Amino acid sequence: DTEVTQTPKHLVMGMTNKKSLKCEQHMGHRAMYWYKQKAKKPPELMFVYSYEKLSINESVPSRFSPECPNSSLLNLHLHALQPEDSALYLCASSQDRFYEQYFGPGTRLTVT
Amino acid sequence: AQTVTQSQPEMSVQEAETVTLSCTYDTSENNYYLFWYKQPPSRQMILVIRQEAYKQQNATENRFSVNFQKAAKSFSLKISDSQLGDTAMYFCAFTDTQGGSEKLVFGKGTKLTVNP
Repeated sequence: DTEVTQTPKHLVMGMTNKKSLKCEQHMGHRAMYWYKQKAKKPPELMFVYSYEKLSINESVPSRFSPECPNSSLLNLHLHALQPEDSALYLCASSQDRFYEQYFGPGTRLTVT
Repeated sequence: AQTVTQSQPEMSVQEAETVTLSCTYDTSENNYYLFWYKQPPSRQMILVIRQEAYKQQNATENRFSVNFQKAAKSFSLKISDSQLGDTAMYFCAFTDTQGGSEKLVFGKGTKLTVNP
C-alpha cells in the first residue's frame, strides 16, 4: 500500500483565520514533506521532516508552521495567510531520505 | 546548481501510438536517482518509474520505459501503446545521495495529451 492521505480536500479561509492541513501515511516511511504547487507548475518544496525532526525549511514564511506529532502524521498550521498563498498543498513521504516520494492527493487552498 | 530541463512544454499523441518525453539534468554528483512522475488532471502525483544512476540497465514498468544516458545526462521516458488515461503532466525529477540533501529537483513538466 503506497497511500498518503490528506485532509481536507478543499479549504477556503479568510486572511485572519487559523486552519490546519493534515497528512497521514502508514507505510512506515521516515521522511515526510510539504510542497506548494501552483497551476501548471512543478511542486515547490516547503518543509522536510526526517525521523520526526525538521531537517529542511525552504525559507517559508512563519505564517506556515509545520508539525510532526509522530512518524505517521504531518500537519501544516496556517495563520494570517495572504491571497497569493492560494495553491494546491501536497504532502509526500518516502522510506528514507533520497528514496522515491509518494504523494497525497493534495489540499486545494483558497485564501479570500 | 542541480537543474532538470524538460524542453517540451506540450506534446500530443494518438491513442495506441508511442511517444517519448525528453529530460536532461545537470549534476556533478556520481550517485543519484532519477524519476518520472505523472500528474493527471485529477491532480494526484503518481510515481511512474525510477532509475538509479549506478545501474546501466534502463528501467521499465509495463508500457513505460526510460532511455538513461548517463554521460549525456539524459533521461527520456517512452510510453508505448498510449492510452487516454496517460493524459497528464509529466515531471522529470532528480535527487542525489551526496551533500545531505533530500530534495527532489523537478523539471517544469511536459503536458501530454492522448487523442482518441
